[in-house]
Amino acid sequence: GESVGLHLPTLSVQEGDNSIINCAYSNSASDYFIWYKQESGKGPQFIIDIRSNMDKRQGQRVTVLLNKTVKHLSLQIAATQPGDSAVYFCAENSTGGSYIPTFGRGTSLIVHP
Amino acid sequence: DAEITQSPRHKITETGRQVTLACHQTWNHNNMFWYRQDLGHGLRLIHYSYGVQDTNKGEVSDGYSVSRSNTEDLPLTLESAASSQTSVYFCATATSGRAGEQFFGPGTRLTVL
Repeated sequence: GESVGLHLPTLSVQEGDNSIINCAYSNSASDYFIWYKQESGKGPQFIIDIRSNMDKRQGQRVTVLLNKTVKHLSLQIAATQPGDSAVYFCAENSTGGSYIPTFGRGTSLIVHP
Repeated sequence: DAEITQSPRHKITETGRQVTLACHQTWNHNNMFWYRQDLGHGLRLIHYSYGVQDTNKGEVSDGYSVSRSNTEDLPLTLESAASSQTSVYFCATATSGRAGEQFFGPGTRLTVL
């Protein structure tokens, strides 16, 4: 079946470095992608989204890149801080369908001071 | 500020007992969802609702039920708790007009002995 997944389950970086979290998706009908952050003991929190008519979108210290040719999504975090330590999920959805995203398993980001 | 609350935050119960987990939102969102989160599985959809009196099964609905009598609440009932239902449960909401962007509650950690 079609699925959303992440390349790396754990990513360790030093404070101040840039972090890149990758995600592959396989559903060619997906046209809306979301990144969530989940801190320990809390629910997932929306970070940033991107629609398929874009290949890049920037937020505060975060950038999402979408490569539809190879069905790849990435989240870049600039100047990573200890507070960025969390599990990051990518999710995909189709805006013409249900309002239910399909979540990947998550990547754990560990930021060392 | 609008929010989603879940109660209880922690629950220990015995096999065979009926358990109800509460979810209350003040976002006034039509769409509400229940997920369970287990190591190695990520977020899996249990049930969801697009509005009052509407309920739908997700991918792991066996042993669970929901009811939607008003916009604010979507209680999740485990009819006869099993040890396999030990998990962290998250309630989420979403507006009708923005597919995939979900707002999550803080979660309920349920242990079935």
